Amino acid sequence: GENVEQHPSTLSVQEGDSAVIKCTYSDSASNYFPWYKQELGKGPQLIIDIRSNVGEKKDQRIAVTLNKTAKHFSLHITETQPEDSAVYFCAASMNTGNQFYFGTGTSLTVIP
Amino acid sequence: KAGVTQTPRYLIKTRGQQVTLSCSPISGHRSVSWYQQTPGQGLQFLFEYFSETQRNKGNFPGRFSGRQFSNSRSEMNVSTLELGDSALYLCASSLQVLRETQYFGPGTRLLVL
Repeated sequence: GENVEQHPSTLSVQEGDSAVIKCTYSDSASNYFPWYKQELGKGPQLIIDIRSNVGEKKDQRIAVTLNKTAKHFSLHITETQPEDSAVYFCAASMNTGNQFYFGTGTSLTVIP
Repeated sequence: KAGVTQTPRYLIKTRGQQVTLSCSPISGHRSVSWYQQTPGQGLQFLFEYFSETQRNKGNFPGRFSGRQFSNSRSEMNVSTLELGDSALYLCASSLQVLRETQYFGPGTRLLVL
């Protein structure tokens, strides 16, 4: 089955700096890669996603890049704010059903 | 639109008991997936239902089961609870089955004593 690895597990940045979280996947059949933000006591919320026919996608301060050849994708958050502090999960899925494989999460702390 | 709702939000049970958790998907969504989240194992897929049929199943023992009703609401059941079943159980819904965006509920926090 698919294996998704995520790094780093924890990340601290100063407010205003950028944060980058990286994920790799093992199955070349994976073709949909969402990113989720989970705040304490809440379920994961989709923040951005990318499909395999696109190399980069941006939504205001958040961007995701995908390198299909290397089988890795990254989340970039610019101009970080304290409210960006949360646990971020990457995931991968393929055409066979609705099963998602999740990374182990990155705890991001933005220091004011 | 209302989001995914899960009930109850918190639950305390003892070993050997059974538990039923409920999930109401976003209106119009027909696919419901269940996940177990623990600090050690992260988010692990339990199973997925579409049109009252289980379409995918993760690697969990038979004590974990689920079902989906005609209105797309879903329930999951865990029988003969073990201490290791303590976790946050998350439900996610999506429109269809294939590679659709999933929207998560707030989860049910289960503590097994």
